[in-house]
Amino acid sequence: EVLVESGGGAVQPGRSLRLSCTTSGFVFDDYAVSWFRQAPGKGLEWLGSIRSPTYGATTQYAASVKGRFTISRDDSKGIGYLQMNSLKTEDTAVYYCSRDIDYSTYPSNPWGQGTLVTVSS
Amino acid sequence: DIKLTQSPSTLSASIGDRVTITCRASQSIGTTLAWYHQKPGKAPNLLIYEASTLETRVPSRFSGSGSGTHFTLTITSLQPDDFATFYCQHHDDHSGITFGPGTRVETK
Repeated sequence: EVLVESGGGAVQPGRSLRLSCTTSGFVFDDYAVSWFRQAPGKGLEWLGSIRSPTYGATTQYAASVKGRFTISRDDSKGIGYLQMNSLKTEDTAVYYCSRDIDYSTYPSNPWGQGTLVTVSS
Repeated sequence: DIKLTQSPSTLSASIGDRVTITCRASQSIGTTLAWYHQKPGKAPNLLIYEASTLETRVPSRFSGSGSGTHFTLTITSLQPDDFATFYCQHHDDHSGITFGPGTRVETK
């Protein structure tokens, strides 16, 4: 059960970036996917989640990114996505994805290793 | 929205010490609380879920307790790999996922 984030890098303020969360070792469409970030020296912040196809692949977002970030999934490829638009310097962080179980008390687990996004002019 | 607080924010301890970290919720959350630890440059690692259930392959020196608004994580005998930051986490099907601010365990 492995998740690997990719797509991070340096980007200018105002630009967009799409992160991928490539999974293996489990049946991807049985699970939800969540995205988190951690700014340098700071704590963990949940960004949003997408439910499994069984629950309509509905999405839920943190207020801090709603309307700017979009989560999606490609179940045929086992990949989750985080589309980030209108990036700001304060979006600089390591971004993580995780596997989640819909409507369960079991928390996010496992997590990917993270990908660094640096927003700077 | 539910807020989680942790105390202390930093804890100085030695190998072999018994360590306790507290997490408080702004309102009752039953036992839907997890604990993670995170080493610098690494992803968070799940230790405990449902307040007291030890995740598979997590050493038995870790234990969790509590319900409602008050939770604790205890390490009975601190080991070198335990010097890290510990986070409590709550997830809710309606409001999402919330983390405490973290407790850093450092060498005394």
